[in-house]
Amino acid sequence: QKEVEQDPGPLSVPEGAIVSLNCTYSNSAFQYFMWYRQYSRKGPELLMYTYSSGNKEDGRFTAQVDKSSKYISLFIRDSQPSDSATYLCAMSVNYGQNFVFGPGTRLSVLP
Amino acid sequence: NAGVTQTPKFQVLKTGQSMTLQCAQDMNHNSMYWYRQDPGMGLRLIYYSASEGTTDKGEVPNGYNVSRLNKREFSLRLESAAPSQTSVYFCASSPGLTDTQYFGPGTRLTVL
Repeated sequence: QKEVEQDPGPLSVPEGAIVSLNCTYSNSAFQYFMWYRQYSRKGPELLMYTYSSGNKEDGRFTAQVDKSSKYISLFIRDSQPSDSATYLCAMSVNYGQNFVFGPGTRLSVLP
Repeated sequence: NAGVTQTPKFQVLKTGQSMTLQCAQDMNHNSMYWYRQDPGMGLRLIYYSASEGTTDKGEVPNGYNVSRLNKREFSLRLESAAPSQTSVYFCASSPGLTDTQYFGPGTRLTVL
């Protein structure tokens, strides 16, 4: 079993839809959880990070962590074609150190 | 302010050839990293440099060497390339080890 798993997709949704992207993990010591967005042929860019359990909102994006279930989610509201990218989750025991990345979910938002 | 730059963008090597991937950052960051990204595997850390003058192994260091030339530059060397090293290589930097990492655009390497 991989330490961090993500549905690889691709996930296709119509413009304006609510998107749910998810990761599961096996290491209960993870405390810091990050979501990166990676456009085709570009490097990843950090979207959001959260510490421990709970929700964090930033504009159209909401990150949710459920440590008891070892499950994290990224919700995108009012999705736009410009959101089409691969979304990577990453997590670590100590912030900024020894990230473990998921394989990424490819999202297409269709106009 | 270019951020993190990587050269070359693309490279094709034959098995056994050597090459160096270059990375530079202009954000005055202390820490720099090299990752590889393979389909279905996510990003995996090869080596990192917490600060100028130090380097440490990451998750998959075998077959690679690194040099932290100065605060700006961190290079990755493949001494004898193997087909298993076909991948996309990303360099990243951060102010410190516990800070957000900023990624370069990547180098696509194919080893035949």
